[in-house]
Amino acid sequence: GEDVEQSLFLSVREGDSSVINCTYTDSSSTYLYWYKQEPGAGLQLLTYIFSNMDMKQDQRLTVLLNKKDKHLSLRIADTQTGDSAIYFCAEKPETSYDKVIFGPGTSLSVIP
Amino acid sequence: DTGVSQNPRHKITKRGQNVTFRCDPISEHNRLYWYRQTLGQGPEFLTYFQNEAQLEKSRLLSDRFSAERPKGSFSTLEIQRTEQGDSAMYLCASSYVTDTQYFGPGTRLTVL
Repeated sequence: GEDVEQSLFLSVREGDSSVINCTYTDSSSTYLYWYKQEPGAGLQLLTYIFSNMDMKQDQRLTVLLNKKDKHLSLRIADTQTGDSAIYFCAEKPETSYDKVIFGPGTSLSVIP
Repeated sequence: DTGVSQNPRHKITKRGQNVTFRCDPISEHNRLYWYRQTLGQGPEFLTYFQNEAQLEKSRLLSDRFSAERPKGSFSTLEIQRTEQGDSAMYLCASSYVTDTQYFGPGTRLTVL
């Protein structure tokens, strides 16, 4: 089956690190994504990781993938107030034409 | 490159009316996707085009919904006889071949 789960809320202090976790069910997924959505806006691609990678780092963002446990995490270092948004984890299963399955989103609140 | 654009950004309509949304993908992207996002949820896949061919439709896409991409460039999504349950954000995304999907700002539909 295809399902992506995330915790719904996370609150951190400005300057701390944020870690947003995600679990997915489709082991055939080839790509896993993190998207950011600010209020009233569309989705902005933050980063993605291939399923044959364990880690990807991009400036303040670090993605960790545990394929055995089907667990994906996004770490944001030195979190800023501008990072407050909803973060969506998504997988692209191999089973259909590039359909992306999204989680419910994690609302990140950064406290000044 | 101006990114994916969608029009209108907001649409308010009365129940029973027809509405049409437009999506202009990133130029040279041959794949175009429609998603629907309701409050507090992640986007849900509706349908997908490769060039002008509609290759997959979700069961969410009832017979009141129709999507077209006549020349393999822009796409329209029409909802006939709108219902209050159709109120949502309609997101369009495009990609090149099997590459990452880039999203537009969305069209927010409110059905009164």
